[in-house]
Amino acid sequence: SAVISQKPSRDICQRGTSLTIQCQVDSQVTMMFWYRQQPGQSLTLIATANQGSEATYESGFVIDKFPISRPNLTFSTLTVSNMSPEDSSIYLCSVDGDRAYNEQFFGPGTRLTVL
Amino acid sequence: GDSVTQMEGPVTLSEEAFLTINCTYTATGYPSLFWYVQYPGEGLQLLLKATKADDKGSNKGFEATYRKETTSFHLEKGSVQVSDSAVYFCALSHTGGFKTIFGAGTRLFVKA
Repeated sequence: SAVISQKPSRDICQRGTSLTIQCQVDSQVTMMFWYRQQPGQSLTLIATANQGSEATYESGFVIDKFPISRPNLTFSTLTVSNMSPEDSSIYLCSVDGDRAYNEQFFGPGTRLTVL
Repeated sequence: GDSVTQMEGPVTLSEEAFLTINCTYTATGYPSLFWYVQYPGEGLQLLLKATKADDKGSNKGFEATYRKETTSFHLEKGSVQVSDSAVYFCALSHTGGFKTIFGAGTRLFVKA
């Protein structure tokens, strides 16, 4: 299994600002995923990030709001831009595990509060 | 499209009680089914999985059986412990695909 770390673990931000979340994996992985978990709700996939290509965004999420970088096989960043209180969520990074079964390994998450 | 429905929580049990968390799904074909667990302040961890009909996934005393006829994957444990208090997510994905569909999550509280 992969060990995943995220920075920051939590942050409180002001409306209109941006926050970049980092995700580091202890091994090289093909695919990295970014999820949002709004308070009391399930996980929603924001985008899939492959190294060397543009991220693929799910319906309802756009690059201008959630730009993603994937500079190498162990690292990715997600930026939450021009934040509003509705962006208050836990943001989770995950990576693919056993691809035959589409297992995923998750980071500890970044808890974001926007005032 | 594919979806996962699981029972609403919170579920509150006393230690050593029997646990069932219901999960049903809607999907084309034969997806893989998963239970993930999220302990307080942590990310999700894979608890167990099943990849085809009648498969039983098991781990840490938890079990779930892939029931194609009822499109269900209910999570059970015979005797819960306080340390089992967490949020449990049922999920599905299609083999070879990379998108996982999660249920809403069920919060479990176990009292000593």
